[in-house]
Amino acid sequence: EVQLLESGGGLVQPGGSLRLSCAASGFTFSSYAMSWVRQAPGKGLEWVLTITGNGGSTYYADSVKGRFTISRDNSKNTLYLQMNSLRAEDTAVYYCAKLASSDGFNPWGQGTLVTVSS
Amino acid sequence: QSVLTQAPSASATPGQRVTISCSGSSSNIGSKYVYWYQQLPGTAPKLLIYRDNQRPSGVPDRFSGSKSGTSASLAISGLRSEDEADYYCAAWDDSLSGWVFGGGTKLTVL
Repeated sequence: EVQLLESGGGLVQPGGSLRLSCAASGFTFSSYAMSWVRQAPGKGLEWVLTITGNGGSTYYADSVKGRFTISRDNSKNTLYLQMNSLRAEDTAVYYCAKLASSDGFNPWGQGTLVTVSS
Repeated sequence: QSVLTQAPSASATPGQRVTISCSGSSSNIGSKYVYWYQQLPGTAPKLLIYRDNQRPSGVPDRFSGSKSGTSASLAISGLRSEDEADYYCAAWDDSLSGWVFGGGTKLTVL
């Protein structure tokens, strides 16, 4: 069974940094692109970043370009999201998701809440 | 303002058929696959439809997807109370070089 487990969320002050992790199991991690999708409280889904299976290519939403970095360690089956210069509008539940070619985001992790507030 | 446009809400009674629409443009729906996700209250989203009209294993055939031009639709027939959820459409956008989502449609089963 494919499982994704996010961790690292919490409360951080504006301008601060946070690193999220997503531990994957049940599939050949290095063969699949992975993504982060976030959802602000009471709002819809917003795609944030995607990284290819070998880590060679990354794709960023304009809203986080220059502030967030996606990376992966295929030896540890773990996806990361480094978030710097955090703003109040970055407050959201952050989900990691497996992205198979033409098969969509499937599955999703349970999410981890990031709150940016002073 | 989402790149893909969905009505914010829809409602129907049990047993009925309901359709949720998603409108985009030539750079996304018009040239790329459409995906649909179901988010039950308090849970993570779940893939419902992929490649416009394909159902993952385990998704009942009451759920179906279609696409025409720059618009897509999700149909749910034989509506059940457990279908009450938020539904999101998504597609890759060539102009933005990124994934775009609709704003979501909250389905209420009366």
